[in-house]
Amino acid sequence: GAVVSQHPSWVICKSGTSVKIECRSLDFQATTMFWYRQFPKQSLMLMATSNEGSKATYEQGVEKDKFLINHASLTLSTLTVTSAHPEDSSFYICSASGIRKETQYFGPGTRLLVL
Amino acid sequence: GENVEQHPSTLSVQEGDSAVIKCTYSDSASNYFPWYKQELGKRPQLIIDIRSNVGEKKDQRIAVTLNKTAKHFSLHITETQPEDSAVYFCAATTITFGTGTKLQVIP
Repeated sequence: GAVVSQHPSWVICKSGTSVKIECRSLDFQATTMFWYRQFPKQSLMLMATSNEGSKATYEQGVEKDKFLINHASLTLSTLTVTSAHPEDSSFYICSASGIRKETQYFGPGTRLLVL
Repeated sequence: GENVEQHPSTLSVQEGDSAVIKCTYSDSASNYFPWYKQELGKRPQLIIDIRSNVGEKKDQRIAVTLNKTAKHFSLHITETQPEDSAVYFCAATTITFGTGTKLQVIP
């Protein structure tokens, strides 16, 4: 149990376009979802926390107008990178937690390359 | 906010030896300490966790110890195997991660 999927697994886009990444909890209701960014050989950096039906809480330094997060249902959260630029290229990972709020289940990640 | 430091950043051990990774945290109110294993290009996976009301927890070859007074916790892997090679992250609370330790187990 506790499976989280993420789509797409990788995406290449042109600079200035927007990219949407989906995160789904497949077999449990995710009251909270987290979005992370991970650079090569570095740790997970939390970008934002979202609770179903509420606005996301962004970490300091993360532009909420650039990284749009929607958590419309208990099984789906989306991250939209708007007007992507090469510096947005990274590995984006979502995670979800359910009743046992402390335990996170991670998605497989999305590798974004902006040309 | 919480700050987590993790050491060492890289660790090489011979197959069969033990590996120990240490983390320190800053917020004495933190009460949940998970450890994740991340293989190259894959998602982090929870391997063990401990709560502040427990000093030690063991699961087969993996154990975690917690010293709340000193605000540090450690991951212990015994009888290491090549498939243990990965990056290991500690965390304090749910969302504050250490910088990671790349473990290489040499056959």
